[in-house]
Amino acid sequence: SAVISQKPSRDICQRGTSLTIQCQVDSQVTMMFWYRQQPGQSLTLIATANQGSEATYESGFVIDKFPISRPNLTFSTLTVSNMSPEDSSIYLCSVEVRGHEQFFGPGTRLTVL
Amino acid sequence: AQSVTQLDSQVPVFEEAPVELRCNYSSSVSVYLFWYVQYPNQGLQLLLKYLSGSTLVKGINGFEAEFNKSQTSFHLRKPSVHISDTAEYFCAVSERVNTGFQKLVFGTGTRLLVSP
Repeated sequence: SAVISQKPSRDICQRGTSLTIQCQVDSQVTMMFWYRQQPGQSLTLIATANQGSEATYESGFVIDKFPISRPNLTFSTLTVSNMSPEDSSIYLCSVEVRGHEQFFGPGTRLTVL
Repeated sequence: AQSVTQLDSQVPVFEEAPVELRCNYSSSVSVYLFWYVQYPNQGLQLLLKYLSGSTLVKGINGFEAEFNKSQTSFHLRKPSVHISDTAEYFCAVSERVNTGFQKLVFGTGTRLLVSP
């Protein structure tokens, strides 16, 4: 298994600002994933971050809006840029361990006013 | 692309009663299937997974699921639920993408409400 922490756990932000969410894992992992869970909805994959290469974004998500960094095998950040109320969601990171199994962090609850 | 259908958005049940949460997926090719649980204000926790082998999979907290390839289903069951099982349950299928990794596609979730 893997223990994953995220910072901040929650935040309230003003529209037009940006927030960077950190994800820390207690072991080295190849792939890290960023998901969004809008209120009352399921999880949607934003992008996949592989250490040493650019993140791969899913349809509907772009790097300018959600830039991702992956500086090493235990850490990643997701920035939500130029926020609007529609960005209010829970953002979760996950890692793939032992192939095909993903463990999730506790999530960051973002509210944009 | 894969898709996952959870027909029941909410399932109310009394404590100690059995429960089944339904999940159907779109593809008949080899897939990996998962059930995750999300307790209020928490992240996702893996309940169980099917990768290969026996079609009956046992997970944590007394849950089990049966993989049915012909019906493309992976229903979750528990013979006797507790109040503490009240949570959101997500079915997910793993899909290999062009870059070689497996991504998870989630269903819309089923809220299990257990009452005394």
